[in-house]
Amino acid sequence: AQSVTQLGSHVSVSEGALVLLRCNYSSSVPPYLFWYVQYPNQGLQLLLKYTSAATLVKGINGFEGEFKKSETSFHLTKPSAHMSDAAEYFCAVSENTGFQKLVFGTGTRLLVSP
Amino acid sequence: DVKVTQSSRYLVKRTGEKVFLECVQDMDHENMFWYRQDPGLGLRLIYFSYDVKMKEKGDIPEGYSVSREKKERFSLILESASTNQTSMYLCASTQSNEKLFFGSGTQLSVL
Repeated sequence: AQSVTQLGSHVSVSEGALVLLRCNYSSSVPPYLFWYVQYPNQGLQLLLKYTSAATLVKGINGFEGEFKKSETSFHLTKPSAHMSDAAEYFCAVSENTGFQKLVFGTGTRLLVSP
Repeated sequence: DVKVTQSSRYLVKRTGEKVFLECVQDMDHENMFWYRQDPGLGLRLIYFSYDVKMKEKGDIPEGYSVSREKKERFSLILESASTNQTSMYLCASTQSNEKLFFGSGTQLSVL
């Protein structure tokens, strides 16, 4: 069975600082990996996805995801945090199948202070 | 842009009531999903559907059922609501192995 583990339910950074949100996965087949973001009172929206092409994936709003097979990780980074990045972030994994039956992590809330 | 619309943003029901949560998508997507979101637990899949009148159980189907009579509409049914079903419910849709499009959610409180 697949699973993802997000380290840290809350991460606090200052505006302009590096953002690093951690995700480790477990999968018996080559995985598809995703990061979704949820802003207050909204549904989730896709930030970026890894589907076995490049190990460094660029997403929206300046975020990047780095896939490391040796560490079974898919961490999310952004060089410089903005106040508007404050949200909850979810890592998710799916098998390489025809449609997305995702397994989500428990989420990390990013707090950005001025 | 794809729109996934959930009929209610907030809903308050009593224990034992039958509850219907409605979801409509406007992009002719084949696949639709119902998740519940709880603090510290993330999102958990309740049911999904890959075609009209087709449904599959997700990871936590107990106490729920679904209906998909038309392609654009996917309903979640709580046959007899219980307090442990108080949660945020999220509907999503996708055509293929691309991104999921989510609705804004329905916060259900069962008293």
